[in-house]
Amino acid sequence: QVYLVQSGPDVKKPGASVEVSCKASGFTFTGYYIHWVRQAPGQGLEWMGWINLNSGVTQYAQTFEGRVTMSRDASISTTYMELSRLTSDDTAVYFCARVHLWQTPTDAFDIWGQGTEVTVSS
Amino acid sequence: EIVMTQSPATLPVSPGERVTLSCRASQSVAGKLAWYQQRPRQAPRLLIYGASTRATGVPARFSGSGSGTEFTLTISSLQSEDFAVYYCQLYDHWPPFTFGQGTRLEIK
Repeated sequence: QVYLVQSGPDVKKPGASVEVSCKASGFTFTGYYIHWVRQAPGQGLEWMGWINLNSGVTQYAQTFEGRVTMSRDASISTTYMELSRLTSDDTAVYFCARVHLWQTPTDAFDIWGQGTEVTVSS
Repeated sequence: EIVMTQSPATLPVSPGERVTLSCRASQSVAGKLAWYQQRPRQAPRLLIYGASTRATGVPARFSGSGSGTEFTLTISSLQSEDFAVYYCQLYDHWPPFTFGQGTRLEIK
């Protein structure tokens, strides 16, 4: 079975950083890309960026450039998303999602993590 | 930037009904369009990719069609578990991976 399991909920103060992890199982980790998507309360889905799990190359949405860092540790099949300089607008559920096709970032997202709730509050 | 517009925002429907959801792109796209279902407090689930190909395990009552700027998701006979929010997504062009704002199916 193919799974993405994310880290648990987190509460941060404004100005802090948060790191969310996403552990993969059931597929060849380095053969795929992972995207990160977030969803603010009651809102739609917002794409944040992707990471090539083989090379570590990343591409970020312009909205998050300079604030987001995606990385991976292939030895433990885990990818990470760090978001810095948090504000209350960053309160959201953060999802990791695997691309359907092998070795391309441009395809549909077929496997999703369960989501990680991040709350930013003073 | 290509904008994806879904309509309607909310659709009251009854179980057993045939439902058609619309997704319009602000300019012609190559058909790299996906549909996702999101139930409350769950992650999205891939239903359709390439505009018309059902993902693994997706029931045959879900079908996708369209090209250019107009795409549709059809549910042939709505089941109780289908009451959810549906998003379309463009996974090509820059900025890629744009989602529509979603259509919520609610019980009439």
